[in-house]
Amino acid sequence: NAGVTQTPKFQVLKTGQSMTLQCAQDMNHEYMSWYRQDPGMGLRLIHYSVGAGITDQGEVPNGYNVSRSTTEDFPLRLLSAAPSQTSVYFCASLSLLGDRGHTGELFFGEGSRLTVL
Amino acid sequence: AQSVSQHNHHVILSEAASLELGCNYSYGGTVNLFWYVQYPGQHLQLLLKYFSGDPLVKGIKGFEAEFIKSKFSFNLRKPSVQWSDTAEYFCAVNTNAGKSTFGDGTTLTVKP
Repeated sequence: NAGVTQTPKFQVLKTGQSMTLQCAQDMNHEYMSWYRQDPGMGLRLIHYSVGAGITDQGEVPNGYNVSRSTTEDFPLRLLSAAPSQTSVYFCASLSLLGDRGHTGELFFGEGSRLTVL
Repeated sequence: AQSVSQHNHHVILSEAASLELGCNYSYGGTVNLFWYVQYPGQHLQLLLKYFSGDPLVKGIKGFEAEFIKSKFSFNLRKPSVQWSDTAEYFCAVNTNAGKSTFGDGTTLTVKP
């Protein structure tokens, strides 16, 4: 059982380059999300999705795009990377009916460390 | 909008000391409450969770948390910490729509 798989684990970009962070989960979770983690700022929600074909913005969506064509995959695209996007990115999923009808806990991927020069 | 506040940014304790990390949330509706732990170099893992019922919940590794509805608080406790508890701890809330909000985190350093 792989859980949440993120790739790549490390990436260095130059300002203006584009890239996609991949995220896949095999737990049939309806909800998937992307967070960025910066020192002293906790985890901030970038985008999230409650099912295939449905996405919505989180707290810090600017500069990022997402799509959800399948239940399993939720890629995060940086269209034109900026140094301010240097961060550790986590993909996370949960079941909306995880525990006695309540939303379950988030399951996290291993993280992707992105550096933008 | 929901928000989470963690009062302690960095806590340093000696082994066997007791731990209490504060967490307050702001949200007018029903929430689910969580504590996650992130060991150095790793991703976040669930420590414990509260949905309803007994406000005192027990998690892994001897941790527990108490939900006090009137104070909008969900403080984390452990009677006796170990060096291996050195990590960053995050309080989080979500609604039944799934969207989760995290506090800024508390870094715990346990000295052997």
